[in-house]
Amino acid sequence: DADVTQTPRNRITKTGKRIMLECSQTKGHDRMYWYRQDPGLGLRLIYYSFDVKDINKGEISDGYSVSRQAQAKFSLSLESAIPNQTALYFCATSPAGSYEQYFGPGTRLTVT
Amino acid sequence: GEDVEQSLFLSVREGDSSVINCTYTDSSSTYLYWYKQEPGAGLQLLTYIFSNMDMKQDQRLTVLLNKKDKHLSLRIADTQTGDSAIYFCAERTGNTPLVFGKGTRLSVIA
Repeated sequence: DADVTQTPRNRITKTGKRIMLECSQTKGHDRMYWYRQDPGLGLRLIYYSFDVKDINKGEISDGYSVSRQAQAKFSLSLESAIPNQTALYFCATSPAGSYEQYFGPGTRLTVT
Repeated sequence: GEDVEQSLFLSVREGDSSVINCTYTDSSSTYLYWYKQEPGAGLQLLTYIFSNMDMKQDQRLTVLLNKKDKHLSLRIADTQTGDSAIYFCAERTGNTPLVFGKGTRLSVIA
């Protein structure tokens, strides 16, 4: 969905490096989410934010941090990347009061 | 706790019907969703059903909900090669984000 964009789309980095993945949306939604997808494990929630002042941990937040800079922007950081953080990362949004989520195209991250 | 289960793979012939099944554990689920993920893309909402409904039909898609057995299914009529994708079931309970299943990879054989 072009209304939710993620940068970069692909990234290869080395163990120990700090990485930031960015998500922007033009849908005007209050709620934003970060997921990772691994083969056979489906989607797992990392962090979510229901508005600019709200940050909540998801199922697998260890090793990650987030920043909600504005309604339209939600960034995911890996402070010190490790190989088992190699995955496909998705940002999603939903409007307040609704849980239908709209996904970005994903960022493929490889940590060597 | 919340858990959503799906079989991982399904293979069907072009023109046949596909049925993708999902079970969930939380009886307080209010909405149940089906998402489709095509190769190299994000998830796209296909359809959803409210928990007080038994069935919802949308063109080639039919969603059936059995609340007693906590079983949800997605039927795709006249399956086409363009339907090849991963299909995710998801549930909503209360004021928390959706809980997704692991996804069913549908392969359509021409």
